[in-house]
Amino acid sequence: QSALTQPPSASGSPGQSVTISCTGTSSDVGGYDYVSWYQQHPGKAPQLIIYEVSKRPSGVPDRFSGSKSGNTASLTVSGLQAEDEADYYCSSYAGSDNSILFGGGTKLTVL
Amino acid sequence: QVQLQGSGPGLVKPSETLSLTCTVSSGSMTGYYWSWIRQPPGKGLEWIGYIYYSGDTSYNPSLKSRVTISIDTSKKQFSLKLSSLTAADTALYYCAQDGPWVPRGAFDIWGQGTVVTVSS
Repeated sequence: QSALTQPPSASGSPGQSVTISCTGTSSDVGGYDYVSWYQQHPGKAPQLIIYEVSKRPSGVPDRFSGSKSGNTASLTVSGLQAEDEADYYCSSYAGSDNSILFGGGTKLTVL
Repeated sequence: QVQLQGSGPGLVKPSETLSLTCTVSSGSMTGYYWSWIRQPPGKGLEWIGYIYYSGDTSYNPSLKSRVTISIDTSKKQFSLKLSSLTAADTALYYCAQDGPWVPRGAFDIWGQGTVVTVSS
């Protein structure tokens, strides 16, 4: 069981869009529509922003969107704002051992 | 609105066993998966394991030999025991809610986190 693969960093200017990838295998990301994304600001607990690949919890701005193609899921943040600067983590259900995997995290910088 | 409150010792000695408890305030434990997740200083999230309200468990294979998660629905609490501690187990330990009915890895409610330091 290996962690999901995310780029360590991403950046964009205010108003721009940025996409963060999350790559797994056919046993996790590719095999189930149970991919989630979390936003974590320094010193805070993670906050769920996307679940089941593309669904947004109540209160999460529609600037955040999720998708999946094959074994890779993606989080897109549109209309970047200063407050979007944070760490982002993906997670996926892994059916082979009925477990949950996290990605290594991506630090998003708003330039 | 469900809230989670983790509790336990902040300092544990190497080779000893860590015991943490998470208390669920308001709402019901029925139908949900209750997880422990940790984050070493400056590092990413690591799922430790979950317990279903019925008592079924699943653990991270890399920690399975050292982890036990239990639940007491009458007290609205679930607990983590992690044995044979080393410095590598030093982390912020979160409890979190997933579900309902299926373990999706969609943790919508998190506790505040409990800092655990393993040191003699």
